[in-house]
Amino acid sequence: EDKVVQSPLSLVVHEGDTVTLNCSYEVTNFRSLLWYKQEKKAPTFLFMLTSSGIEKKSGRLSSILDKKELFSILNITATQTGDSAVYLCAVEGGSEKLVFGKGTKLTVNP
Amino acid sequence: GAVVSQHPSRVICKSGTSVKIECRSLDFQATTMFWYRQFPKKSLMLMATSNEGSKATYEQGVEKDKFLINHASLTLSTLTVTSAHPEDSSFYICSARGLAGGGNNEQFFGPGTRLTVL
Repeated sequence: EDKVVQSPLSLVVHEGDTVTLNCSYEVTNFRSLLWYKQEKKAPTFLFMLTSSGIEKKSGRLSSILDKKELFSILNITATQTGDSAVYLCAVEGGSEKLVFGKGTKLTVNP
Repeated sequence: GAVVSQHPSRVICKSGTSVKIECRSLDFQATTMFWYRQFPKKSLMLMATSNEGSKATYEQGVEKDKFLINHASLTLSTLTVTSAHPEDSSFYICSARGLAGGGNNEQFFGPGTRLTVL
């Protein structure tokens, strides 16, 4: 059964800190790993990763995938209060369905 | 990116009534739509996958007679919660996948529908 484990489940930091969120997975016939940010509504897409070692970057956020070790990290530098959200990691395998982790709840205090 | 809408965004109903939620892909044709359910402080759980013109595929533990899914066109899927009970109260989110945004087969999420059954 496909599985996604995120850590930590919860994280509280101060503005300006850098955070690293972890996602490990087990999936049959890996196709992609995706990161989403969820505030009060549905998830918003951040990154899709398919290849190992290639960093994807968007502003202060970046992510990288290690297909050998079956994990990905999401980095946020110089955090702001607006970064407070639940960050979800999902993987797509041979079934073409997304399997989500439980998420990491990030709280950025001023 | 592609836009997916859901209607209604919020619904409150009495126990025993049926509620229909619509999911529309506004600017692309969705060959596949997915319905998820999310309980408070929990992750998204896939309920079913629907392909246009065919029967939905339900995940284990999801009652297909309780959660009726129709994917009648390439831009519309509906989820009907029949004879709703308080335990059906949840956040329901759809996503759509098709040839959009460069054709990379990405899923685009709707804004979600919060259902409260009294």
